[in-house]
Amino acid sequence: KNEVEQSPQNLTAQEGEFITINCSYSVGISALHWLQQHPGGGIVSLFMLSSGKKKHGRLIATINIQEKHSSLHITASHPRDSAVYICAGLRGANTPLVFGKGTRLSVIA
Amino acid sequence: DVKVTQSSRYLVKRTGEKVFLECVQDMDHENMFWYRQDPGLGLRLIYFSYDVKMKEKGDIPEGYSVSREKKERFSLILESASTNQTSMYLCASSSGQGVGYTFGSGTRLTVV
Repeated sequence: KNEVEQSPQNLTAQEGEFITINCSYSVGISALHWLQQHPGGGIVSLFMLSSGKKKHGRLIATINIQEKHSSLHITASHPRDSAVYICAGLRGANTPLVFGKGTRLSVIA
Repeated sequence: DVKVTQSSRYLVKRTGEKVFLECVQDMDHENMFWYRQDPGLGLRLIYFSYDVKMKEKGDIPEGYSVSREKKERFSLILESASTNQTSMYLCASSSGQGVGYTFGSGTRLTVV
């Protein structure tokens, strides 16, 4: 079993829809990153979470430490949100991220 | 604007050549990482470094080596390039606590 599991793998939504991407992680992960990669583009870190909830514009990330689960929500989705979203876990200081397989999101106008 | 800069966006090399990929960060980050990204395989860690002159093998170090002589620079070396090393290579850096993870824009390497 991978340390970080993401779902769904692929997601297609209509513009304006509320989108949720889920991430489950194993014991030993102390913090979660959500990353975004547009087609042909570089990777951008959206959030780093170790507890609670963070919001930036239309993006909201939550984490439940007891359940070892995190979600990334996009409100009022737009075609420019089309990208691969990657959940990545951090085991501790000076360690590399453990990546999920990513969720490919397509938002259709 | 903080950044991780990779020396080349596109690179074409011949089989057997020695290839150097350079990465420089301006954030005084302790940690630096080299990944490769392939369709269907996601991001895979090649090597990382948590301090100058320190290096740790990642998941797929075979055929690669690294050098970190200065804090801001982390080089990936393909000792003898092979066609199966054709890939997108991404450098990243972070603080020691994993904060401020920043990726470079990537180098698309083609080995012919």
